[in-house]
Amino acid sequence: GAVVSQHPSWVICKSGTSVKIECRSLDFQATTMFWYRQFPKQSLMLMATSNEGSKATYEQGVEKDKFLINHASLTLSTLTVTSAHPEDSSFYICSARGPMNTEAFFGQGTRLTVV
Amino acid sequence: DAKTTQPTSMDCAEGRAANLPCNHSTISGNEYVYWYRQIHSQGPQYIIHGLKNNETNEMASLIITEDRKSSTLILPHATLRDTAVYYCIVRLFGSGYSTLTFGKGTMLLVSP
Repeated sequence: GAVVSQHPSWVICKSGTSVKIECRSLDFQATTMFWYRQFPKQSLMLMATSNEGSKATYEQGVEKDKFLINHASLTLSTLTVTSAHPEDSSFYICSARGPMNTEAFFGQGTRLTVV
Repeated sequence: DAKTTQPTSMDCAEGRAANLPCNHSTISGNEYVYWYRQIHSQGPQYIIHGLKNNETNEMASLIITEDRKSSTLILPHATLRDTAVYYCIVRLFGSGYSTLTFGKGTMLLVSP
């Protein structure tokens, strides 16, 4: 299947700093990418949908000024967690709509720990 | 998207077939059944999807009942590496593309 690469795999940052997570589609052009968050022992929760060249659509309860999403090209979307706090510690996962608009492919996830 | 119901957990012996059920009684005619799995601390992995016919690929088989209200994912010879949370999701296909909504899934534990 298509490959989606996420970087970094894990990151530890100090409270109050910002962290950027990258999501790349390696062998296809992803017009739409999705960002999820997963807390321990819980399921994935969609945070936002990102279309190339336009503003992201955020799910209810997700602060768009805190979770900045950029999707400037067909192969790259970034999620920046601004002014991170310990409660933002979570597993962040991106996915990209596949080339045939059928299944979605997921990155390997980024474990964010804010201390 | 239609809601799905899955057992919380299942056990399977290594080498045996793992049959994971899913109920989706409110599925509509243009919704497909998708299966993903998530190994601990990794992103979800696509397994298979289908509309009404049974489907098979190198990973698994998908059996959908004639009324489409339920389905079963079959891993024919489970290995220890198949231990994961398995998610059954129904969603629109193609131009009616909708986001994937994950439920709690089934935690499959494959034991030696």
